Amino acid sequence: QKEVEQNSGPLSVPEGAIASLNCTYSDRGSQSFFWYRQYSGKSPELIMFIYSNGDKEDGRFTAQLNKASQYVSLLIRDSQPSDSATYLCAVRRITFGKGTKLSVIP
Amino acid sequence: GAVVSQHPSWVICKSGTSVKIECRSLDFQATTMFWYRQFPKQSLMLMATSNEGSKATYEQGVEKDKFLINHASLTLSTLTVTSAHPEDSSFYICSATERDHPYEQYFGPGTRLTVT
Repeated sequence: QKEVEQNSGPLSVPEGAIASLNCTYSDRGSQSFFWYRQYSGKSPELIMFIYSNGDKEDGRFTAQLNKASQYVSLLIRDSQPSDSATYLCAVRRITFGKGTKLSVIP
Repeated sequence: GAVVSQHPSWVICKSGTSVKIECRSLDFQATTMFWYRQFPKQSLMLMATSNEGSKATYEQGVEKDKFLINHASLTLSTLTVTSAHPEDSSFYICSATERDHPYEQYFGPGTRLTVT
C-alpha cells in the first residue's frame, strides 16, 4: 500500500525562525510531490510542487526532494504567525500524509 | 485570478436523499478537476479525477454509482451524492488545474455535508 508519512507535530517555532517539515513516501516510482497549507476549517491551498531532485525555492519556501531516500521536505524561512496551519504532503495529488501542525509563536 | 467556487458551502440533508455540489472555475478553463473528501481531523482523500468531456476516474474504494461526477464543461463539475447516509457526512473539496499549468492546483472553499 502506497503511504506518505509525516510527523503529526505539533511543531512549534518562534517567529522569524526556520520551520522544517518532513515527509517520506513508500512508492519509489513516484514522480511529483506537493505541499499544501490548510488553515483550520478551510480548504487547502497549494504551496509548492516539486518533481526534480534537489531544491526548489519560492519566496520564503523551499522544497527539497531526494528520490533516492524517498524524502521530501519543506522549509519555511522567517516564519510568521500567519504560517501557523497544518501542512500536508502529497504524492501525485493522490496520496496524502496526515499533515503536520505548525505553530509559529510570536 | 484562478478562482474556484463551490456551491453550496454547507448542506444538511436527510438520509436517503441526494445532494449535488457544484464546482466552478471562474476565470480559467479547468481541464482537470479533482474531488476530495476530508473527515474531521483526517487528511484529504482523493475520490476521483475528471477531465472535461470524459468520464471520471474513481479511486479504489469509491463507489462510482454513489458519487456521481460530471465534468460537462471547462468551467463546471458537479458531484452528486446519491442516497446519502450519515457516514457520507464530510467536507467535500474540489480543485482544478488548467492545461498550460498542470501542476498549479486551485481549490474551492469546500462544502460541508451533514446527513441526518
